[in-house]
Amino acid sequence: AQRVTQPEKLLSVFKGAPVELKCNYSYSGSPELFWYVQYSRQRLQLLLRHISRESIKGFTADLNKGETSFHLKKPFAQEEDSAMYYCALSGWGSTDKLIFGTGTRLQVFP
Amino acid sequence: GAGVSQSPRYKVAKRGQDVALRCDPISGHVSLFWYQQALGQGPEFLTYFQNEAQLDKSGLPSDRFFAERPEGSVSTLKIQRTQQEDSAVYLCASGEPVSGYTFGSGTRLTVV
Repeated sequence: AQRVTQPEKLLSVFKGAPVELKCNYSYSGSPELFWYVQYSRQRLQLLLRHISRESIKGFTADLNKGETSFHLKKPFAQEEDSAMYYCALSGWGSTDKLIFGTGTRLQVFP
Repeated sequence: GAGVSQSPRYKVAKRGQDVALRCDPISGHVSLFWYQQALGQGPEFLTYFQNEAQLDKSGLPSDRFFAERPEGSVSTLKIQRTQQEDSAVYLCASGEPVSGYTFGSGTRLTVV
């Protein structure tokens, strides 16, 4: 079965602390993995995707095929990082649908 | 346009009423998707269009749900005889998964 699991509904940290938002997936094949973010009162937007291997707003995510994980990390959280984060996957190289996790709310306290 | 536009932003429907939700994708985007997001959940796939062709409607929860994109641009999601369990945010997105979808702000449907 195709599934994305985000085990934490809420993650609270203080500004400057490291952050890791967990994502595990189940997929028969080679999926594309994404992180989407939704800031308060804004629309869902792409944060990063594994094929680009880029760092956006200080966030990185490494695809670990052995552990079927795609955890999102940032070494020093900022208050403006507070948002809802969704991990998602789709079929490789196709215009396939996205399968989303249930999301993790990140709260960064000053 | 500059982004994906959805209307209305909010819709309150009485149970049993029919509703129509509209999506204006980014101009030129071939692919268009509809998702349903229930409270506390991630978005769930409903249906997918490539131009005017509906290539995947496997996520539509019942035959009360119907979507169309007759000219390959604007799309409408119609829900007939709405039920309370239809209450959710309905999201439209256009683009490609590899390059990243652009999502609209969604329509929040409340069935009372």
